[in-house]
Amino acid sequence: DTGVSQNPRHKITKRGQNVTFRCDPISEHNRLYWYRQTLGQGPEFLTYFQNEAQLEKSRLLSDRFSAERPKGSFSTLEIQRTEQGDSAMYLCASSARWGQGPSYEQYFGPGTRLTVT
Amino acid sequence: AQTVTQSQPEMSVQEAETVTLSCTYDTSESNYYLFWYKQPPSRQMILVIRQEAYKQQNATENRFSVNFQKAAKSFSLKISDSQLGDTAMYFCAFMKQNQAGTALIFGKGTTLSVSS
Repeated sequence: DTGVSQNPRHKITKRGQNVTFRCDPISEHNRLYWYRQTLGQGPEFLTYFQNEAQLEKSRLLSDRFSAERPKGSFSTLEIQRTEQGDSAMYLCASSARWGQGPSYEQYFGPGTRLTVT
Repeated sequence: AQTVTQSQPEMSVQEAETVTLSCTYDTSESNYYLFWYKQPPSRQMILVIRQEAYKQQNATENRFSVNFQKAAKSFSLKISDSQLGDTAMYFCAFMKQNQAGTALIFGKGTTLSVSS
């Protein structure tokens, strides 16, 4: 068990460019969450997958944001036409399926820090 | 909608002392979980302690304990015998109890500094 991993750890991009982040959850976890955290604030929920199905999306997830989890394993979060307001830490978390351990416990990755210049 | 409020942006304590971080929440749900997460500087978020709403007994994990007051919707974290490694941002979080899984709702956090 290597924990939740995220790549890249840091991304600097120019306004208007597209960026994509990857999250690899703990291998036996079927639930995957994306959060956004701005400096000095708590994480805010963006979206959630159970296996490959995207079950919930926050209103924070504008049309420029899209997330996928095509095979129920890793997930990608893409931001199109980045804006300076997108600068934040993007956190991924995973949790076990119901009935397999504490499914309420979310394990977080180290995050991807995005800076839009 | 659920909300989580942490009214102490910053706290400081000396090693070996005890400190209490406050958290209040608002919900109409009857079944839920409450958590305290720790985020050390430039490191990832880790779970410190959790409390199931249906349990009256306050949760304890080594030096960390909570004071859960369900009627008052209060959930404070007490850290005993503070250590330098406790320096971190601490987030209180709420989660509805749901078999399908659901998001955590976080407070804005309390930055705790432990000094020698």
